[in-house]
Amino acid sequence: AQSVAQPEDQVNVAEGNPLTVKCTYSVSGNPYLFWYVQYPNRGLQFLLKYITGDNLVKGSYGFEAEFNKSQTSFHLKKPSALVSDSALYFCAVRVASSGNTPLVFGKGTRLSVIA
Amino acid sequence: KAGVTQTPRYLIKTRGQQVTLSCSPISGHRSVSWYQQTPGQGLQFLFEYFSETQRNKGNFPGRFSGRQFSNSRSEMNVSTLELGDSALYLCASSGTSGDYNEQFFGPGTRLTVL
Repeated sequence: AQSVAQPEDQVNVAEGNPLTVKCTYSVSGNPYLFWYVQYPNRGLQFLLKYITGDNLVKGSYGFEAEFNKSQTSFHLKKPSALVSDSALYFCAVRVASSGNTPLVFGKGTRLSVIA
Repeated sequence: KAGVTQTPRYLIKTRGQQVTLSCSPISGHRSVSWYQQTPGQGLQFLFEYFSETQRNKGNFPGRFSGRQFSNSRSEMNVSTLELGDSALYLCASSGTSGDYNEQFFGPGTRLTVL
């Protein structure tokens, strides 16, 4: 069975500093990896995904993530954090197969960017 | 293009009652998934439908059921509500059955069970 771990419940960063939100995964097979963001009282918004190819994936709002197969990680990064980036971030994984496996989410990391 | 819509947005029920939640996917999307979000358990997968067929089902009791109509709209039903069913229920749609497709989420239905 696939699983996702987001080891930090909360990440605090000063505005203008780089930010990292960590994610590790476990799957039997090749993974499809996703990052979503949730603002208060809203549904989830898609940020970026890794399917195959280049390990560095660029997404919306200046976010990027690096797929590391040996460390089974897919950390979300941004070079310069904004106060408006404060939100709840979810990493998710799906097994790349024809078996139509469900998307599994981590428990989320709350990012707080302080002005 | 209109996004995923969910109705109602808020719902208050009492234990033992049943509830039906509705989801309209993005036009042209044929895959609809449902999730339960709670502070303690995070996002948990309920079920996924594609072209009116249930493709996947999460680990929830039989009180939770769903269906998808020919226009891709989906409903989920929870019978004999329990206090622990209080949660934000999220619906998401995607364009095809491909596992690599991102999902587009609705704003959710906040269910409170008293």
